[in-house]
Amino acid sequence: AQSVTQPDIHITVSEGASLELRCNYSYGATPYLFWYVQSPGQGLQLLLKYFSGDTLVQGIKGFEAEFKRSQSSFNLRKPSVHWSDAAEYFCAVVNFMDTGRRALTFGSGTRLQVQP
Amino acid sequence: DAGVTQSPTHLIKTRGQQVTLRCSPKSGHDTVSWYQQALGQGPQFIFQYYEEEERQRGNFPDRFSGHQFPNYSSELNVNALLLGDSALYLCASSLMESGGYTFGSGTRLTVV
Repeated sequence: AQSVTQPDIHITVSEGASLELRCNYSYGATPYLFWYVQSPGQGLQLLLKYFSGDTLVQGIKGFEAEFKRSQSSFNLRKPSVHWSDAAEYFCAVVNFMDTGRRALTFGSGTRLQVQP
Repeated sequence: DAGVTQSPTHLIKTRGQQVTLRCSPKSGHDTVSWYQQALGQGPQFIFQYYEEEERQRGNFPDRFSGHQFPNYSSELNVNALLLGDSALYLCASSLMESGGYTFGSGTRLTVV
């Protein structure tokens, strides 16, 4: 079964500092990968997704992520964090090649706190 | 262009009662999935509907059931509510043959 691991439960960074959130997945084939952000009490907003092609993916709000097949990772990065980036971040995977398995599998999330 | 709409936004029910949550998908989407997100956890897949049929189901008991209507909107029903059913219920719509899931803001269900 596919799984997603986000090893960092909570990260605190200073405003203006760089950010990297880690995500590792376990799946036999090349998965489709997503990063979502969730503000308290809100739904999920898609930051970026990787389906194929260039392994460095650009998303909204200045975020990017790099797919590394050899490491089974899809880490999220931002060069300079803003106070408004404080939220919960979820990595997710789905395999569209398997018509019986098109549900998103989420990691447990990383809570980002931004210090002024 | 309206995104995914869920109703109600908040709901309080008593243990043993039944509840129905509703979801209108994003315009042009034909598939609706439901997720349960307990406090402090990632969303867990409940089931997915396409062409008015349940196509996939996660590890949830039969107390959880659903329906999809011809206009692609969907309902999630939970019978015999337990305290542990308290969670944020998220609806996501998509096109079956492509990626890109759009989530609603969710329904916060509290069982007392």
